[in-house]
Amino acid sequence: NAGVTQTPKFQVLKTGQSMTLQCAQDMNHNSMYWYRQDPGMGLRLIYYSASEGTTDKGEVPNGYNVSRLNKREFSLRLESAAPSQTSVYFCASSASQGWDGYTFGSGTRLTVV
Amino acid sequence: GNSVTQMEGPVTLSEEAFLTINCTYTATGYPSLFWYVQYPGEGLQLLLKATKADDKGSNKGFEATYRKETTSFHLEKGSVQVSDSAVYFCALGTNFGNEKLTFGTGTRLTIIP
Repeated sequence: NAGVTQTPKFQVLKTGQSMTLQCAQDMNHNSMYWYRQDPGMGLRLIYYSASEGTTDKGEVPNGYNVSRLNKREFSLRLESAAPSQTSVYFCASSASQGWDGYTFGSGTRLTVV
Repeated sequence: GNSVTQMEGPVTLSEEAFLTINCTYTATGYPSLFWYVQYPGEGLQLLLKATKADDKGSNKGFEATYRKETTSFHLEKGSVQVSDSAVYFCALGTNFGNEKLTFGTGTRLTIIP
């Protein structure tokens, strides 16, 4: 009953460092998403993947890259972290047929100093 | 484009009070509407949904009715409990080609005993 699993849960980076946030789902969902959550801003879409092998930019893609490694896994990479990327990052997935909404992971709290 | 406007928070109520959190939307086509809840330190969880006009979604004592004429999907609960303290997000999704959800900014609800 894992659903969507994100790692790590917490991370502190120095400005300019790189890191990859991992996300995996076990629900056989086609679509996966990366959001960031900032106070007063709600959830903003960074990148999404409608199906294995495809990725598209969302609302705030600058400074990020993604990889849809296979149907289960969708990773988010920060190549050169900046303090403005301090945020809570959520991965989500959804089935492509019908509208049951998203299943979210528990989030990664990232601080860039 | 699609957008969701949510009641500004934070909202503080006494236990057993009546709750309304307003949500209005703009969208092309015929969106599905959702309420998500985020408990402290956790990811978002689907609370309820409605997929067509006049549908009522309900779960855990919460209700919301899809009102196309007023483009609204207000969340209500007759008697709140301390355990309902959380952040609530209204969201919409349209399935014209891809299935990204658009979220409101969230409303923080605190229930005091």
